[in-house]
Amino acid sequence: GENVEQHPSTLSVQEGDSAVIKCTYSDSASNYFPWYKQELGKGPQLIIDIRSNVGEKKDQRIAVTLNKTAKHFSLHITETQPEDSAVYFCAASIDPGGADGLTFGKGTHLIIQP
Amino acid sequence: EAGVAQSPRYKIIEKRQSVAFWCNPISGHATLYWYQQILGQGPKLLIQFQNNGVVDDSQLPKDRFSAERLKGVDSTLKIQPAKLEDSAVYLCASSTRGLAYEQFFGPGTRLTVL
Repeated sequence: GENVEQHPSTLSVQEGDSAVIKCTYSDSASNYFPWYKQELGKGPQLIIDIRSNVGEKKDQRIAVTLNKTAKHFSLHITETQPEDSAVYFCAASIDPGGADGLTFGKGTHLIIQP
Repeated sequence: EAGVAQSPRYKIIEKRQSVAFWCNPISGHATLYWYQQILGQGPKLLIQFQNNGVVDDSQLPKDRFSAERLKGVDSTLKIQPAKLEDSAVYLCASSTRGLAYEQFFGPGTRLTVL
């Protein structure tokens, strides 16, 4: 089955700086890659996703890049703010709308230092 | 739009006891998922329903875990008997088929087995 590795496990950055979280996946058939943000005591919430026919996607301060050849994808957050502090999870799936659920990485605890 | 509802939010039981969790998905969402999230890890898919049929239960420990989704709406997840290693947050998520692949997560039920 699919295996998703995520690094780093903890990332501390100064407010206003950029943060980058990286993930690799094992199953070349995966074609959907979402990123979730989880705050304490809450369920994960989708912040951005990318499909295999796209190399990069941006939404305001958040961007995701995908390299299908290398089987890795990354989350980029620019101009970090205190409310960005949370645990971020990457995930991969062949088809989340059909017969395959999401395989998650172990998470990155992002800490924004004031 | 109301989100995914789960109850109870917290549960503490002794090992070998039984426990049940309830989930009410977003109205109209045909697909429902149960995930197990052990402390410090990403969510792991236990079971996926499409309407009231099981799509994937390959990672569900069937000797002690069971789940049902009557009438294709609410779902219950049961553990009997519980083990210490079942201590985790149990997350329910739902999604709709089509281009919108997003899985919406509930707040989870935190289970502690003593």
